[in-house]
Amino acid sequence: NAGVMQNPRHLVRRRGQEARLRCSPVKGHSHVYWYRQLPEEGLKFMVYLQKENIIDESGMPKERFSAEFPKEGPSILRIQQVVRGDSAAYFCASSPGSGGTNTGELFFGEGSRLTVL
Amino acid sequence: AQSVTQLGSHVSVSEGALVLLRCNYSSSVPPYLFWYVQYPNQGLQLLLKYTSAATLVKGINGFEAEFKKSETSFHLTKPSAHMSDAAEYFCAVSRAGGGNKLTFGTGTQLKVEL
Repeated sequence: NAGVMQNPRHLVRRRGQEARLRCSPVKGHSHVYWYRQLPEEGLKFMVYLQKENIIDESGMPKERFSAEFPKEGPSILRIQQVVRGDSAAYFCASSPGSGGTNTGELFFGEGSRLTVL
Repeated sequence: AQSVTQLGSHVSVSEGALVLLRCNYSSSVPPYLFWYVQYPNQGLQLLLKYTSAATLVKGINGFEAEFKKSETSFHLTKPSAHMSDAAEYFCAVSRAGGGNKLTFGTGTQLKVEL
């Protein structure tokens, strides 16, 4: 499967625990985006990363949330001290870098669904 | 700043009827526009996109959309609905040179009835 891979697909945490969501982009893609989808709402942008760099984190909550995309390995979205309001589907998407291979769209994974008890 | 507005959070049509899902955008620069479809418990799949070429864009599964600058609209249509079209549809906007960061509308749930 050459698409965006997210894991875990489902994650249950108790309040105060940490959640780590992983995303492997399409092979050859160097840009990763994280979105959050709450029930009855659209997708809200959280953060845009390139390898080892955060390009745009304007949608990230100021506290408890962090993201990284290391030189090797998947991108990680980390939520510390989870609260019930963090329950949502978290989607990762990827795209090529700038240049001829970039046709403008994002390629999405199937999401990680976080439930906070 | 860019935004999209999807009119109608729920649309219901009969099988075989015309599908029309509305999307209006706001952008200070020429936009790129997209329609994505999401089936239950799945990710988003690209239906079609407008990136400043032809204003009438054809996508997968018989869908098409027309970019109308004068109306700031990018409505999604399909001549004849099929039961398998039942899903949630999202309109999204980005701008050239802004990376591929997309701003999404709140979605329209399409129901297809016999």
